[in-house]
Amino acid sequence: SSELTQDPAVSVALGQTVRITCQGDNLRSYYASWYQQKPGQAPVVVIYGKNNRPSGIPDRFSGSSSGSTASLTITGAQAEDEADYYCNSRDTSGNVVFGGGTKLTVL
Amino acid sequence: QITLKESGPILVKPTQTLTLTCSFSGFSLRTRGVGVGWIRQPPGKALEWLALIYWDDDKRYSPSLRSRLTITKDISKNQVVLTMTNMDPVDTATYYCVYRSNYYDSSGTLDYWGQGILVTVSS
Repeated sequence: SSELTQDPAVSVALGQTVRITCQGDNLRSYYASWYQQKPGQAPVVVIYGKNNRPSGIPDRFSGSSSGSTASLTITGAQAEDEADYYCNSRDTSGNVVFGGGTKLTVL
Repeated sequence: QITLKESGPILVKPTQTLTLTCSFSGFSLRTRGVGVGWIRQPPGKALEWLALIYWDDDKRYSPSLRSRLTITKDISKNQVVLTMTNMDPVDTATYYCVYRSNYYDSSGTLDYWGQGILVTVSS
């Protein structure tokens, strides 16, 4: 079955750079999308496709991919970036799969 | 402006069938490539994809829940309905309706999300 694996928790000092990763065989064929979820709110797309940001998402968010690993990088993390981050992708059957999420703490 | 809103019961009893409705605006499910689906999130846990239905009536289900799920669309009402049978307390979760703009994309992006509805399963 399709699975995406994320580290449960990551921390970063204010203003520093952090990378959140997502691993899965699907990612050899498809890109990951990344979602930010703050407490009590619905997830919001921050990166999709090869490295695309929806309107309104700061350019400190970027995405990359290598082999079976996709990464979300936040360059110059801000306090408001503290949130849960989820990756997702698709498989060859057109199904969707999510990672288990990463809790980002900004110190 | 694309919006989606979930509606349905907030409390269901074990063994009952859950019916959730997603009412949307700002796009048409007649448009090639477009899909609407459901995601759920148990309290304090991760997101879980449930189902998607596309413009051409193609339906996709989570393999682990396929036997319990049915997704349908009513284009005239701009609604998508999800039914889940044999509800159990472990199905307690916030259920989100989502919009997928492009079936053919290479990343499975879920572009817009509703606010979610918390459904509790308890006797």
